[in-house]
Parts: sequence; C-alpha cells; structure tokens
Amino acid sequence: QKEVEQNSGPLSVPEGAIASLNCTYSDRGSQSFFWYRQYSGKSPELIMSIYSNGDKEDGRFTAQLNKASQYVSLLIRDSQPSDSATYLCAVNHYGGSQGNLIFGKGTKLSVKP
Amino acid sequence: DAEITQSPRHKITETGRQVTLACHQTWNHNNMFWYRQDLGHGLRLIHYSYGVQDTNKGEVSDGYSVSRSNTEDLPLTLESAASSQTSVYFCASSPSGASYEQYFGPGTRLTVT
Repeated sequence: QKEVEQNSGPLSVPEGAIASLNCTYSDRGSQSFFWYRQYSGKSPELIMSIYSNGDKEDGRFTAQLNKASQYVSLLIRDSQPSDSATYLCAVNHYGGSQGNLIFGKGTKLSVKP
Repeated sequence: DAEITQSPRHKITETGRQVTLACHQTWNHNNMFWYRQDLGHGLRLIHYSYGVQDTNKGEVSDGYSVSRSNTEDLPLTLESAASSQTSVYFCASSPSGASYEQYFGPGTRLTVT
C-alpha cells in the first residue's frame, strides 16, 4: 500500500516565524512531489513542486526533498495569518498509473497574529 | 483564461437517485481525475482517465462511473446514491508527461438524504 504520511496538526506558529511542514512517503520509486494549500471550504491549490534532491525556493516557500530518507518538507518563511490553511503533500505513484498522485491527509497550519 | 469548472457546486439528492456531477476543463489536458474528500480520509481517488475513451477505477470506485467522450469533460455518475456518498467531490486535470502536476476544480458538495 503506497502511503504518504503527514502530521495532522494543528501546527501553530506566530506571525513572522518559520513554519515547517513535513511529509514522508513509502514508495521509493516516486519521482515527483507536490505541496498543495487548501483553505477551508476551498479546493486544493498547487503551490510547490519538486523533482530532485535538495531545496527549491519560490518566494517565501522552500520545498526540501531527500529521496534517500523518503522525506519532503515545506518551509514557509515570515508566516502570515493568510497562510493559515491545510497543507497537503502529494507524491506520484510510480509504476502502473504513473499519472496518479497519492495525497497525505494534510497538516493544518494556524498563524497567530 | 484556461480553467477547470464543476457543476453543480451544491447538490442535495435522495437515496437511490442517479446523480451526475460535471467537470469541464479548457486546458486541453489529457489526464482527468475525480476525488472525494471526507474528514479523516483526505483525498481519495474515485476514477481517472488518461484520454478520450480511457477510464480507470481508483481506490473507491464502487457505486460510481465515468465516461470520457472528449478531452474537455469527465462526468461522474452516482448510479444509485447512498448516504455514504455524501461528500465533497473534486475534479482535477493534468497534462501528459512527467510533471504530474494536477489542478483542481472548485468542488461539488453533495448531500444524500
């Protein structure tokens, strides 16, 4: 069973702090990794994708990938109350249905003013 | 602008009725997906399609069907609605190729009474 695990939270951080969200996955052959943000009552929105080991930065967001440890993380610098949402980690399902993603259940982030 | 739309946005139906949820995308993506999202379960894949006339079952396909007659549309049919199918339904699409990035529609909230 292919799995993606996330701490459900809630993760609470003060405004301006760094929020660190973590995700582990079981499928060692996975090649593509994504972070989605989902506001309450809304649909998931793709915010970051990462395909190779290391860091990828986009504005206040940094995605980190370590394939050897089967670990992907999302750092949000200078967290704002508008970042309060549930963050979903998604990993491609390698082999067979390669277009499919497996989603974690999400980590709820709360940024306190 | 290219987009993905779902209709209706909200639907209340009775047990045993047939219901069809529409999904339409204008990105010309080959891949389309239907998910349901429930508290405690995260996003679960119902059906998916990699192109016209191609359909495949996901992990929770019982009681659901899809058909793909063109690139733009993947309607989801609940053959005989059950209370267990009360959920939020999301359609997503992605281009062919190795990126696997999926883009979500706004969702349909379905209540089966």
